[in-house]
Amino acid sequence: DSGVTQTPKHLITATGQRVTLRCSPRSGDLSVYWYQQSLDQGLQFLIHYYNGEERAKGNILERFSAQQFPDLHSELNLSSLELGDSALYFCASSVRLAGSGELFFGEGSRLTVL
Amino acid sequence: LAKTTQPISMDSYEGQEVNITCSHNNIATNDYITWYQQFPSQGPRFIIQGYKTKVTNEVASLFIPADRKSSTLSLPRVSLSDTAVYYCLVGDNGATNKLIFGTGTLLAVQP
Repeated sequence: DSGVTQTPKHLITATGQRVTLRCSPRSGDLSVYWYQQSLDQGLQFLIHYYNGEERAKGNILERFSAQQFPDLHSELNLSSLELGDSALYFCASSVRLAGSGELFFGEGSRLTVL
Repeated sequence: LAKTTQPISMDSYEGQEVNITCSHNNIATNDYITWYQQFPSQGPRFIIQGYKTKVTNEVASLFIPADRKSSTLSLPRVSLSDTAVYYCLVGDNGATNKLIFGTGTLLAVQP
């Protein structure tokens, strides 16, 4: 158990819909990273938050948005869903701002868009 | 932004030592090198991290040459349960704070 909690674990929805994925980082971790992993693909970096502030963006679509709340949990919002958005979405947390620390990953939220 | 290159796949047998090399030619001075293991439908798990020379823990060793343009993850005496994808990650400690994973190496361990 990494200490990172992601909900929901599974989600099935239709094209055009909107979903929200939630991540609770490990206690004390200020950094939250979101990654997308499509079938047989690597981990695509989406966005990074540190202590409530957005610090870096990857190839995140405009239809996607995220935020980190004062209690440090984070939400990834996916709207106008398309079939190609079906993927595993991972959240990872770290105590540090930058890349010298260990990332702790949650078990992911599997999104299926029909 | 440091980019990593790894072999797509490797095969091994139980009990053998496996070495997986990662190239990161444009690694920055402040970057660390971290390796993760991922099983299907699970989140990646930290294996080992280093900055230079050699680091060893209870599951692996990490060798980093002086120029730091590559690194080698060494797994001693692999077992079937070590079959997984292994990712090399070079931490971007610069202004972007992006942590970009490479394509990973699928290690298949056979009996």
